[in-house]
Amino acid sequence: NAGVTQTPKFRILKIGQSMTLQCAQDMNHNYMYWYRQDPGMGLKLIYYSVGAGITDKGEVPNGYNVSRSTTEDFPLRLELAAPSQTSVYFCASSYATGIHGYTFGSGTRLTVV
Amino acid sequence: AQKVTQAQTEISVVEKEDVTLDCVYETRDTTYYLFWYKQPPSGELVFLIRRNSFDEQNEISGRYSWNFQKSTSSFNFTITASQVVDSAVYFCALSGAYSGAGSYQLTFGKGTKLSVIP
Repeated sequence: NAGVTQTPKFRILKIGQSMTLQCAQDMNHNYMYWYRQDPGMGLKLIYYSVGAGITDKGEVPNGYNVSRSTTEDFPLRLELAAPSQTSVYFCASSYATGIHGYTFGSGTRLTVV
Repeated sequence: AQKVTQAQTEISVVEKEDVTLDCVYETRDTTYYLFWYKQPPSGELVFLIRRNSFDEQNEISGRYSWNFQKSTSSFNFTITASQVVDSAVYFCALSGAYSGAGSYQLTFGKGTKLSVIP
């Protein structure tokens, strides 16, 4: 089915390790987003992109990096994992603003120990 | 800046009771969109409704209904005759309508955890 695909679904990292969370969409959406969800909290925006080659910081960007080399892919990079990055990560995409709504991936549950 | 407040952290109801989840928002945009999402225990986000700021008509979908009141900046969600399958965390969210910096991403409330007891 068309939509947003996130991999992996689960991952355990040791402090200081690095990893990339993958996100791909096949709907030709221009806008893509990375959110994190901590227990008891809503989703907070980490980074977003309005098109290939264009990215910008959201509310909580520290400790993360992104790239957008193609319209389809928007990977999120953790360079030096810290326990504070233990969270559930959601990728989302949209054509533009709220007019057409947002499509979310199924999430990646990351634990840093 | 945009802000969404869901004052109810957790609600418990007995099956078949009606329950209303509150959502209050703040935005400087004149055109914006409001959303409700459901997050069941499995963790995915399930889209429930999108409402634009020019449409203040209430909406009903089966046992679900939404009351949008621009005058009070509220977008409340009511479940009638609740069922155990309604147990989930419900998020209210807001986005701007234009691609001005920072206005088009979804801003979420902290969510309301609903437990429906059989």
